[in-house]
Amino acid sequence: NAGVMQNPRHLVRRRGQEARLRCSPMKGHSHVYWYRQLPEEGLKFMVYLQKENIIDESGMPKERFSAEFPKEGPSILRIQQVVRGDSAAYFCASSPPSSTDTQYFGPGTRLTVL
Amino acid sequence: ELKVEQNPLFLSMQEGKNYTIYCNYSTTSDRLYWYRQDPGKSLESLFVLLSNGAVKQEGRLMASLDTKARLSTLHITAAVHDLSATYFCAVRGATQGGKLIFGQGTELSVKP
Repeated sequence: NAGVMQNPRHLVRRRGQEARLRCSPMKGHSHVYWYRQLPEEGLKFMVYLQKENIIDESGMPKERFSAEFPKEGPSILRIQQVVRGDSAAYFCASSPPSSTDTQYFGPGTRLTVL
Repeated sequence: ELKVEQNPLFLSMQEGKNYTIYCNYSTTSDRLYWYRQDPGKSLESLFVLLSNGAVKQEGRLMASLDTKARLSTLHITAAVHDLSATYFCAVRGATQGGKLIFGQGTELSVKP
């Protein structure tokens, strides 16, 4: 059973470009969470999604950031017009529909904005 | 607003010694988690604590939960170098499904 998959693992963008981060949850998992980890800091919640629904986006910046989890395919975290402050590691986690007791984390995408 | 605080933030230990990491949280929650993160890596789940008085042990690590005091501890027994990593506690939020609120992390370095 493959774990949570994220790609790309490393992403370099110039200021003003768009970044798209993908997350495929574990097989059978229907809950997806996105977290951001700034250098030398803990993880901060961004958004919680189920298939085709955003459940909680209280941690998402108001502008430039969006997330989706379509019926088919991976969850996408999209950052428009990136700035240097967006440089961070972005982790996706998933949990099964029957229990949200444990979230399983993917390897992360490390975004660098030049 | 739910807040989670860990201490210490940095811990340098000698092999063979014992130590405890503390995790305090500010409001009621029914799930507390401990994760381990190696440099440049993802988070590995260590423990999920579900109820007051819960105690779980895996190897040299033991975690406990006191919901009345809103305190969890991660105790390290006879530390070895392989335990060097950053340890995070996290508390599940109140919304359905539950976002996790993380502590700042404790960077543990075990020296020979």
